[in-house]
Amino acid sequence: DTGVSQNPRHKITKRGQNVTFRCDPISEHNRLYWYRQTLGQGPEFLTYFQNEAQLEKSRLLSDRFSAERPKGSFSTLEIQRTEQGDSAMYLCASSLAPPQISYEQYFGPGTRLTVT
Amino acid sequence: GEDVEQSLFLSVREGDSSVINCTYTDSSSTYLYWYKQEPGAGLQLLTYIFSNMDMKQDQRLTVLLNKKDKHLSLRIADTQTGDSAIYFCAETQGSNTGKLIFGQGTTLQVKP
Repeated sequence: DTGVSQNPRHKITKRGQNVTFRCDPISEHNRLYWYRQTLGQGPEFLTYFQNEAQLEKSRLLSDRFSAERPKGSFSTLEIQRTEQGDSAMYLCASSLAPPQISYEQYFGPGTRLTVT
Repeated sequence: GEDVEQSLFLSVREGDSSVINCTYTDSSSTYLYWYKQEPGAGLQLLTYIFSNMDMKQDQRLTVLLNKKDKHLSLRIADTQTGDSAIYFCAETQGSNTGKLIFGQGTTLQVKP
């Protein structure tokens, strides 16, 4: 296993367009997390899944954002009607779930979104 | 509330020790983590400590945890130029979610 992968690595889009990002976690990891990181800041939690169930969504996640993990493996994050404020690095991480309780999260390289 | 704070910048000379500090607020955090981020890259997990431990050592890295003061530090011995990066501390929110709350990162500059 080569770790967490994310596609695309970079996305430039015009304001108002929809974008979708994909994350493939480490294969035996049943938890998958999405974070957003803006310049000069630490990552901010957006949402997470255990298997295919979405267990928590941040208040940061407006109605324009939706995430899915339909078969408990890869996940997609879609942003509808993008705004310039959505420009950021979108990071995906995966981990094991309890009873493995150290929650070590392994991050992918991220997708950098630029909204023009 | 949830808040993790770090100093923004640290500069050291190659071969010296670096100490990066962090304070957190969630007393129910089960684990605390240190991540490293190099320019344009994702986050690399360096080490973590369970909240009932005071210290953890892993090769050149030493983590100290003062739970009473909610203070976490990362010491890097014999700092090398390849250690130049941004270092983030993070806490788990509560005891079950695994959701991480990150500080804003400390930029470590290592001068030759």
